[in-house]
Amino acid sequence: SQQGEEDPQALSIQEGENATMNCSYKTSINNLQWYRQNSGRGLVHLILIRSNEREKHSGRLRVTLDTSKKSSSLLITASRAADTASYFCATVTSGSARQLTFGSGTQLTVLP
Amino acid sequence: KAGVTQTPRYLIKTRGQQVTLSCSPISGHRSVSWYQQTPGQGLQFLFEYFSETQRNKGNFPGRFSGRQFSNSRSEMNVSTLELGDSALYLCASRTAGGVDYGYTFGSGTRLTVV
Repeated sequence: SQQGEEDPQALSIQEGENATMNCSYKTSINNLQWYRQNSGRGLVHLILIRSNEREKHSGRLRVTLDTSKKSSSLLITASRAADTASYFCATVTSGSARQLTFGSGTQLTVLP
Repeated sequence: KAGVTQTPRYLIKTRGQQVTLSCSPISGHRSVSWYQQTPGQGLQFLFEYFSETQRNKGNFPGRFSGRQFSNSRSEMNVSTLELGDSALYLCASRTAGGVDYGYTFGSGTRLTVV
């Protein structure tokens, strides 16, 4: 079963704009990870944030985590057409044997 | 270094048949996990192997099975295929150690059951 929901389900923006995606989850976690998937291919790991961290940056990516609200957000700044993809959050639940539980994903379209 | 390699990329099978999918992890990665992706259910965990032992299994029927070899390569098998087994099957590998590492995924095997 899926851990939670992502919001919005689809997002369309112009090149150069920022894109924000939100993820909610249901249980206590060890960490939360974000992945990108292009057109039904494999997933690419973007960034991992641990449960004791609140914010993390990697290039044009910024991730926040609010464990009290069981939510996370992914911000992509200065988007490019090449950022067009599906984005998934995934959690590793506390005490679990390391499986990833995925959200439902956000389809991002960046228009040139 | 080479990424995670899944073979075959595409597969068409008939209901009732069985299928075996293969995954070669990144060299040095001893943990291999399998996921099923469908439009209706999204990404769901199948199982994880580490050092030839299944460590965790998702909520799938016994028709889904897997194994891992001493070189960390893994196979998953689906017997008595059903139409609903049509999906993208993804393999992911990870280095050993704690939970705070990302996974590297292969490009997947697209299985179509007709």
